[in-house]
Amino acid sequence: AQRVTQPEKLLSVFKGAPVELKCNYSYSGSPELFWYVQYSRQRLQLLLRHISRESIKGFTADLNKGETSFHLKKPFAQEEDSAMYYCALIMANQAGTALIFGKGTTLSVSS
Amino acid sequence: DTAVSQTPKYLVTQMGNDKSIKCEQNLGHDTMYWYKQDSKKFLKIMFSYNNKELIINETVPNRFSPKSPDKAHLNLHINSLELGDSAVYFCASSQAISGNTIYFGEGSWLTVV
Repeated sequence: AQRVTQPEKLLSVFKGAPVELKCNYSYSGSPELFWYVQYSRQRLQLLLRHISRESIKGFTADLNKGETSFHLKKPFAQEEDSAMYYCALIMANQAGTALIFGKGTTLSVSS
Repeated sequence: DTAVSQTPKYLVTQMGNDKSIKCEQNLGHDTMYWYKQDSKKFLKIMFSYNNKELIINETVPNRFSPKSPDKAHLNLHINSLELGDSAVYFCASSQAISGNTIYFGEGSWLTVV
């Protein structure tokens, strides 16, 4: 079954500390993975996707097919990084394709 | 110059009523979606339309009926609203799902009382 797992519901760190938001996936084919961010009461915004291999706002994520993981990392957290982060996988079946999300991790950065 | 816009942003209504949420995208995309975000912030796909044709319909009650008058619009009509329908509904669009970004609307906060 196609599935995205984010094991942490909440991650609290201090400003300047490293951050790692975990994401594991289950997918039979070649996965396409994304990280989306949702600031308080706002729309979801694409943070990054694995095919572009770019760094946005200091965040990076590497696809590890052996561990079926796509963890999101940032070396030094900022208070403005506080938000809800969703890992997402493109799901494709006979019916069509769509983006399926993990349950999300709330990142709280305090000073 | 909003790419994906939804109306209304907030909606409070009584149980049993029928309501609609409208969505429009000006990106020229051919695929549109409706997602539901529940009180626990879980996001689930509800529907997906490609070129006005329904291609994904997840396990959603028949009371929910999407309507796509053209490629730029995907409206969500809900009949006989129930308390459990209270959620944030996000519309989204993309050009072609694989490798392309999905753009989300700002969400419609539905509260059923």
